[in-house]
Amino acid sequence: DARVTQTPRHKVTEMGQEVTMRCQPILGHNTVFWYRQTMMQGLELLAYFRNRAPLDDSGMPKDRFSAEMPDATLATLKIQPSEPRDSAVYFCASGSYRGQETQYFGPGTRLLVL
Amino acid sequence: DQQVKQNSPSLSVQEGRISILNCDYTNSMFDYFLWYKKYPAEGPTFLISISSIKDKNEDGRFTVFLNKSAKHLSLHIVPSQPGDSAVYFCAAGSNDYKLSFGAGTTVTVRA
Repeated sequence: DARVTQTPRHKVTEMGQEVTMRCQPILGHNTVFWYRQTMMQGLELLAYFRNRAPLDDSGMPKDRFSAEMPDATLATLKIQPSEPRDSAVYFCASGSYRGQETQYFGPGTRLLVL
Repeated sequence: DQQVKQNSPSLSVQEGRISILNCDYTNSMFDYFLWYKKYPAEGPTFLISISSIKDKNEDGRFTVFLNKSAKHLSLHIVPSQPGDSAVYFCAAGSNDYKLSFGAGTTVTVRA
């Protein structure tokens, strides 16, 4: 049963600290997405990669957020420095780009910045 | 700028009755639409989709209807079951494979 995995599942940190979230996409999927869920905005796309290359990161605050794919089995999302307004659930999703394909979501990382 | 809108944040329905969830979009470039279901502390899971060349797609108890002229789609769940209680997200995509999501509708199925 192939699944997207995310670590950590929960993170509590203090304002100003660095936060790193990790995602292992489903083996064979060539597209990876990072989303943030907030009460007001629902699911917002932060960034996405195809074949490990960043395609769009326009949804991310550039000054503090960064997303990378060091290899095909790992995607990372970093926040440095973190702020209370970054508190949200962050989801990773993966898929195979063949047109009109669904995306498969991980369980999310619940982040609380105090 | 929300391109996909779910105007009803919540819906309560009695078990066995029909649940109707609505979704509106603004971008005419969207060419496929999906519904995702989300339980607490889990990620969204794919439920059903529809291409813009169709106006209806059915999968068991779930049917999605698309009205392109009105830029509106709806999800019908018949009959509703207690396990259907969840948050439902409407999403729309185009050829770049990015999805735009609505804010979600929380469905509660009453016994």
